[in-house]
Amino acid sequence: QLRLQESGPGLVKPSEALSLTCTVSGGSISSATYYWGWIRQPPGKGLEWIGTIYYSGSTYYNPSLKSRVTISVDTSKNQFSRLRLSSVTAADTAVYYCARLDQQLAPFSFDYWGQGTLVTVSS
Amino acid sequence: EIVLTQSPGTLSLSPGERATLSCRASQSVSSSYLAWYQQKPGQAPRLLIYGAYSRATGIPDRFSGSGSGTEFILTISRLEPEDFAVYYCQQYGSSSFTFGPGTKVDIK
Repeated sequence: QLRLQESGPGLVKPSEALSLTCTVSGGSISSATYYWGWIRQPPGKGLEWIGTIYYSGSTYYNPSLKSRVTISVDTSKNQFSRLRLSSVTAADTAVYYCARLDQQLAPFSFDYWGQGTLVTVSS
Repeated sequence: EIVLTQSPGTLSLSPGERATLSCRASQSVSSSYLAWYQQKPGQAPRLLIYGAYSRATGIPDRFSGSGSGTEFILTISRLEPEDFAVYYCQQYGSSSFTFGPGTKVDIK
């Protein structure tokens, strides 16, 4: 059973960078049909797509966040993705999810999700 | 950017009733690119429908998707107690994903 687990600091100061890691277990991140995404959800609000990465390293970012977002992949440790969001403000406070997209099984949708991790931006 | 609008914002129904949720796009969306998710409090979203009509693995057949172009529908034929949750539609286009604001289905 595929499992995704987000990890990282739960509290980040304004103007600093947020860094999260998603670890994949129970499956390989290097399948040709897999993309890996980050999605966030401010408390009490809806879902916002942050970006997606292919195991080869190709990235796709939300245009509204593109200037501040970097997503990378480390296939050697099966840590599919590190999310870095720079210059954070209180508006970046959210639960951050990592998720899998399988273009063969359920194209253009996210079929496996991590449990999410709450990141609060506050001094 | 394609904007998704969901209606109603809240749907109050009783178990056993039929739920019809709407997702409207600001411009035409390929049916292949439209998905629906269910989210319960404190949980991650769960994929229900992809490609507008196809149920994800393990999803009961009381959930069905329909529609095309700019109007898509998620139907729950008979509400079970575990179906009371928030439902989001999501689309893909121009290498980007966007989600609708969600419809909350609560117990009447």
